Amino acid sequence: GESVGLHLPTLSVQEGDNSIINCAYSNSASDYFIWYKQESGKGPQFIIDIRSNMDKRQGQRVTVLLNKTVKHLSLQIAATQPGDSAVYFCAENTGTASKLTFGTGTRLQVTL
Amino acid sequence: EADIYQTPRYLVIGTGKKITLECSQTMGHDKMYWYQQDPGMELHLIHYSYGVNSTEKGDLSSESTVSRIRTEHFPLTLESARPSHTSQYLCASSRGQGFYGYTFGSGTRLTVV
Repeated sequence: GESVGLHLPTLSVQEGDNSIINCAYSNSASDYFIWYKQESGKGPQFIIDIRSNMDKRQGQRVTVLLNKTVKHLSLQIAATQPGDSAVYFCAENTGTASKLTFGTGTRLQVTL
Repeated sequence: EADIYQTPRYLVIGTGKKITLECSQTMGHDKMYWYQQDPGMELHLIHYSYGVNSTEKGDLSSESTVSRIRTEHFPLTLESARPSHTSQYLCASSRGQGFYGYTFGSGTRLTVV
C-alpha cells in the first residue's frame, strides 16, 4: 500500500549547521505534502507545505524540496538552533480524501 | 497559538472504565480528525469527520467511537478501556474547502492500568 517513510530515524547536527531531513513517498498521486515538528509532550506543529505543482518552497530558515521523479521530499533547516530539536514528520495527502498519511518521523538532535 | 483544545491532557484510568476524550476547535473548521500515536512513533488515523453528523473510520482499526453533533466538538469515547488502549490521542482540524493541512491539539496521553 501507499506509505511515507523517512530514511534516518535520528539526525544529530551541531548548532549553527544546516540540517537536511529526508522523506520518501510511494504514492505518485499525492498532490500535497507537509512537514510537521513535534516537541516532547506536544501536538505536531505546522512547519511548511508544498503542492505537487512546485518543486521548492521557502519559509523562514526552512526550505522544502520536492522531487516527483524519485518521489522524494526533504526539509532543510538553515543555521540549526537548539530550539529545533524535535521529531519531524512528513505527511502526504493523496487527493480526494482530505486525509494526511504520516511517515515514521526523524528525531533531530542539536548539539552545542 | 492553535485554537483547538483537548481535555484532559493526561488521564490514568482503570481497566473497564468508560472514558470520553474531548476535542473542541474555535476556527469553524468543517473537517476534524483523531490520530493515535505511540511514543516516538508515527501517527495513525482512527476517525475523521467532514462535518456535522458525518463520521468515518480511519486507517487504523480502533474500538473507540466518535460523534459530531456540533461543528466545533468532536469527542472520542471508549466504552471499556483496556491496557492496549494506552497511547497518545491527537485531535486535529482543517478547513473545508481544498486541503491546507491540519491544526493539531496538544493531545491526551491515556494510560489504562
